Amino acid sequence: DIQMTQSPPTLSASVGDRVTITCRASQSISSWLAWYQQKPGKAPKLLIYKASSLESGVPSRFSGSGSGTEFTLTISSLQPDDFATYYCQQYNSFALTFGGGTKVEIK
Amino acid sequence: QVQLVESGGGLVKPGGSLRLSCSASGFTFSDYYMSWIRQAPGKGLEWVSYISRSGNTIYYADSVKGRFTVSRDNAKNSLYLQMNSLRAEDTAVYYCARDRATGAFDYWGQGTLVTVSS
Repeated sequence: DIQMTQSPPTLSASVGDRVTITCRASQSISSWLAWYQQKPGKAPKLLIYKASSLESGVPSRFSGSGSGTEFTLTISSLQPDDFATYYCQQYNSFALTFGGGTKVEIK
Repeated sequence: QVQLVESGGGLVKPGGSLRLSCSASGFTFSDYYMSWIRQAPGKGLEWVSYISRSGNTIYYADSVKGRFTVSRDNAKNSLYLQMNSLRAEDTAVYYCARDRATGAFDYWGQGTLVTVSS
């Protein structure tokens, strides 16, 4: 199975900060990567698919980049609604796998 | 609007069985691949199973292979997960999710909690 490693596990930031989360795959997954946001007690929400395509309705402050084995999710200016946990997921091959998550906390 | 509603969760003893259902509405169910994904309390997301539009192609995580069975009834707009030989480590919120045709999940249900405990 392809292992997905996210860093950092926790990130403390302030409103207005630029935030970057990294996801590394144990082998090449081309651009078959998605990013999700999850808030406590809620289902995950798709933000980015195919590494850099913004899902409809998602604010443009979210962006994704990368290919192969290294990917990033960037929030250009952190907003109060963005404090949540973020997960990457590869869909290059089965078994589909998720990263361990990055919790974005208020500094 | 797209809706996915899971049901069937609850408390079950180790070794027991449970059948989860996911009722879909607001889209043409038979046009989409579907998956089950779970999340143990306080933990991350774990993909469980995938089923193709017709049900002919199915995949499972190694952790549930041989114990869980996914199925769908396109006439009833429903997805199912039959869970047998349940273990304590199967305790989780189980989500059904729609695959946006590439393997990323664009809609999720609210989840149903399965607790395996004696």
